Amino acid sequence: AQTVTQSQPEMSVQEAETVTLSCTYDTSESDYYLFWYKQPPSRQMILVIRQEAYKQQNATENRFSVNFQKAAKSFSLKISDSQLGDAAMYFCAYRPPIKRGQNFVFGPGTRLSVLP
Amino acid sequence: EAGVAQSPRYKIIEKRQSVAFWCNPISGHATLYWYQQILGQGPKLLIQFQNNGVVDDSQLPKDRFSAERLKGVDSTLKIQPAKLEDSAVYLCASSLFEITAMNTEAFFGQGTRLTVV
Repeated sequence: AQTVTQSQPEMSVQEAETVTLSCTYDTSESDYYLFWYKQPPSRQMILVIRQEAYKQQNATENRFSVNFQKAAKSFSLKISDSQLGDAAMYFCAYRPPIKRGQNFVFGPGTRLSVLP
Repeated sequence: EAGVAQSPRYKIIEKRQSVAFWCNPISGHATLYWYQQILGQGPKLLIQFQNNGVVDDSQLPKDRFSAERLKGVDSTLKIQPAKLEDSAVYLCASSLFEITAMNTEAFFGQGTRLTVV
């Protein structure tokens, strides 16, 4: 069964600085999808960034970028120029290829605090 | 585009009572998920529907939880009877399902916070 691990229960960063959140996963598939979701206190899960495993190029979305290391099964999220609105729970998620179903497996989350 | 709608947002019940949650996914999304998120943990899948058929309910406690998705659109999740350990946020999500689709992320509702006392 696939598992997703986030080894940092809590992280903090100074406003305008850069922070990296870690994620590792376990799978025997070669083609799959990875996501970072943000969950603010409102509880709404919001997609931050996604990565297809067959793509070697790391995904970027404005201030958010990932470091995808397929061989190491690592998928870290870098937040640059951190803003107060970035404070939230961040969940790493894995989705298998369509032929294996569409269940999203989530990690336990990292609580990010942004200090003014 | 309207998002995933869930109701109610909050519910407090006594143990052994029953409760039901409702979810309306994004229009056209064939796949619907119910997740349970216990405080401080990541979401855990309870059940996944493809249209009105169940794809995965392996982690659904079937002795007390049930779910249905009549007509392949909206869905209800029921707990009967509730236990203290059912206190959690119940998240509904939906996604597209097309064989050639890429990057089909899940879109989430705001969840229902259930407290069992």
